[in-house]
Amino acid sequence: GQQVMQIPQYQHVQEGEDFTTYCNSSTTLSNIQWYKQRPGGHPVFLIQLVKSGEVKKQKRLTFQFGEAKKNSSLHITATQTTDVGTYFCAGRFTDKLIFGTGTRLQVFP
Amino acid sequence: SAVISQKPSRDICQRGTSLTIQCQVDSQVTMMFWYRQQPGQSLTLIATANQGSEATYESGFVIDKFPISRPNLTFSTLTVSNMSPEDSSIYLCSVYSGNTIYFGEGSWLTVV
Repeated sequence: GQQVMQIPQYQHVQEGEDFTTYCNSSTTLSNIQWYKQRPGGHPVFLIQLVKSGEVKKQKRLTFQFGEAKKNSSLHITATQTTDVGTYFCAGRFTDKLIFGTGTRLQVFP
Repeated sequence: SAVISQKPSRDICQRGTSLTIQCQVDSQVTMMFWYRQQPGQSLTLIATANQGSEATYESGFVIDKFPISRPNLTFSTLTVSNMSPEDSSIYLCSVYSGNTIYFGEGSWLTVV
C-alpha cells in the first residue's frame, strides 16, 4: 500500500536556528500537502504543492516538491517558539490523502 | 471552502460501549473521509464514505468495528463499536472541496 515517511521523527532546535523536515513517498503523488498540529490541537492546513519541482514560500517557511513527485521538504528559517508543533506531510494518491509519520519540532528560547 | 462541524468534541466512554460521531458539512461534497489519530501518532485513514454506497475501508479497519453512514451529501457518522482503551484517539472527518481538503476539529475519545 501507499506509505509516506518523514524524517526526522523529532527535532530540537535553539530559537533562531533553521529546521528542515523531509517527506518521502513509496509511489508518485498527485500532490502533497503540509499540515501543522500544535499540542492539543487538530491538524491545520499549511500549503499544497502540485507541480513537479514546485517551490512555495510562506514567510519563513519554504516548501519544495521533488521533480519525481515522490518527495517533499519543509524548511523553516530562523525558528521561533511559535513554530513548536508537529509537522505532517500528506500525499494525495488519487482520491486518498495519506499522512506522513510527522516531525515533532521543539524550539528552545 | 468548507466548514465542518463534528460532534461530540470530547467524550469519555466506558469499555465495551459504542459511540457515534457526527460530521456535518456546510456544502455538498462527494466524498468524506474518516481518520484516526492515536496519541502521539500520525493520522490514519479509516475509510472513505460515499453517498449512496457502502464505505470503503482501509487495511486494518472493518465495518463491524467502525460502521459508517452517509445518508446525504452533507452528513456522515462514524461509530466506534465495542470500545477498548486502544480506541482512545482523536477521530477526524475531512472533505475535499475544490482541490483543498478540510478537516473538522476532531472528536477526542477516551475509553476507560
